[in-house]
Amino acid sequence: NAGVTQTPKFRILKIGQSMTLQCAQDMNHNYMYWYRQDPGMGLKLIYYSVGAGITDKGEVPNGYNVSRSTTEDFPLRLELAAPSQTSVYFCASNRGDRGGWDEQFFGPGTRLTVL
Amino acid sequence: AQSVTQPDIHITVSEGASLELRCNYSYGATPYLFWYVQSPGQGLQLLLKYFSGDTLVQGIKGFEAEFKRSQSSFNLRKPSVHWSDAAEYFCAVGARNNAGNMLTFGGGTRLMVKP
Repeated sequence: NAGVTQTPKFRILKIGQSMTLQCAQDMNHNYMYWYRQDPGMGLKLIYYSVGAGITDKGEVPNGYNVSRSTTEDFPLRLELAAPSQTSVYFCASNRGDRGGWDEQFFGPGTRLTVL
Repeated sequence: AQSVTQPDIHITVSEGASLELRCNYSYGATPYLFWYVQSPGQGLQLLLKYFSGDTLVQGIKGFEAEFKRSQSSFNLRKPSVHWSDAAEYFCAVGARNNAGNMLTFGGGTRLMVKP
């Protein structure tokens, strides 16, 4: 199993540009998550999904959009990039056992800089 | 809303010495508590979790943590640190709110190990 994969690893965007961060998992997990990690801070939840076709906002959803058309993929879309979106983005997934509190498996992250 | 505080931003210990990383949480009900470790350039990996029952929980890599309700704490310990333990450690509390199930992370403690 590859686990959770994310592409790209690094990206530099100009203000106002758009991009999609890709996330895929091959563990047949129902739940998937997007987090951002700012320097010296813990992770903050952007969006999550409990299954294909179902998504919901987390703590910091503004400026982002997601979709979940398949179990495996959970792309994160940034529209009109702003410097405040400079961060490291992590995708994670879990089966959803115990109401979703089973172990989350994380991807290696995407480091995004907006200039 | 729930919150997590990790008072120590950096800790340095000598290899072979014992380790305790502090975590305090704020949540109105019995929380689900987690410790994650992040090695440089990697995603997060679960070390251990507490849901209920025995307040001393064992995790991977020789780590343990103790839940103390009276102190709202969930400190992580290891009796003898190895150089490979150098990493960043995150405490998290799981709770259900209007956004659904959500993990709230502390700001992290960076552990450095002296030879």
